[in-house]
Amino acid sequence: DAGVTQSPTHLIKTRGQQVTLRCSPKSGHDTVSWYQQALGQGPQFIFQYYEEEERQRGNFPDRFSGHQFPNYSSELNVNALLLGDSALYLCASSPTGSGGSADTEAFFGQGTRLTVV
Amino acid sequence: AQSVTQLGSHVSVSEGALVLLRCNYSSSVPPYLFWYVQYPNQGLQLLLKYTSAATLVKGINGFEAEFKKSETSFHLTKPSAHMSDAAEYFCAVSSPEYGNKLVFGAGTILRVKS
Repeated sequence: DAGVTQSPTHLIKTRGQQVTLRCSPKSGHDTVSWYQQALGQGPQFIFQYYEEEERQRGNFPDRFSGHQFPNYSSELNVNALLLGDSALYLCASSPTGSGGSADTEAFFGQGTRLTVV
Repeated sequence: AQSVTQLGSHVSVSEGALVLLRCNYSSSVPPYLFWYVQYPNQGLQLLLKYTSAATLVKGINGFEAEFKKSETSFHLTKPSAHMSDAAEYFCAVSSPEYGNKLVFGAGTILRVKS
């Protein structure tokens, strides 16, 4: 089992550019969540996808958008990048049928380190 | 709303000594509580979780945590620290009313001295 895989592992972008990060969930998982972890801070919830729809959203601007595909993989898109968007972006997946069950373990990928210059 | 406070951004212990990492939560509804560990340049790994069953929860690698409702705490302990325990630890809270969105604390970096 490959677990949760994210690509790329590292990325450098210029202010104002757009970026797309990708996530493949653990086998059998249908719910994908994205988190932003700034340096020295805990992860902050961005949004969650289930059945190809955004189920929940945290306090992030509309520049942050996402998508979930029929195979449950997901993308995180960030437009008009700011220096403050530099962070580790973590993807987490949850087991089939959880549909948002709060006691379900979330499995995390290794993250994508985004640097905006 | 929910929030988590981790007391102490850095904790240093000697190898073989007791590890105690503190976590206090705020939640208007019965919470589920989690401890995750993060090694350098890696994602998060679940250590243990509390989901309203036993208040004393045992996890992997010899860690355990006790849910104390009266103190709104969920401190993480390990009787004897090992060098391999050096990492950053995050406490997190969720509840059915908020789906399985995790709200994390700021983290505690554990250093183990030889």
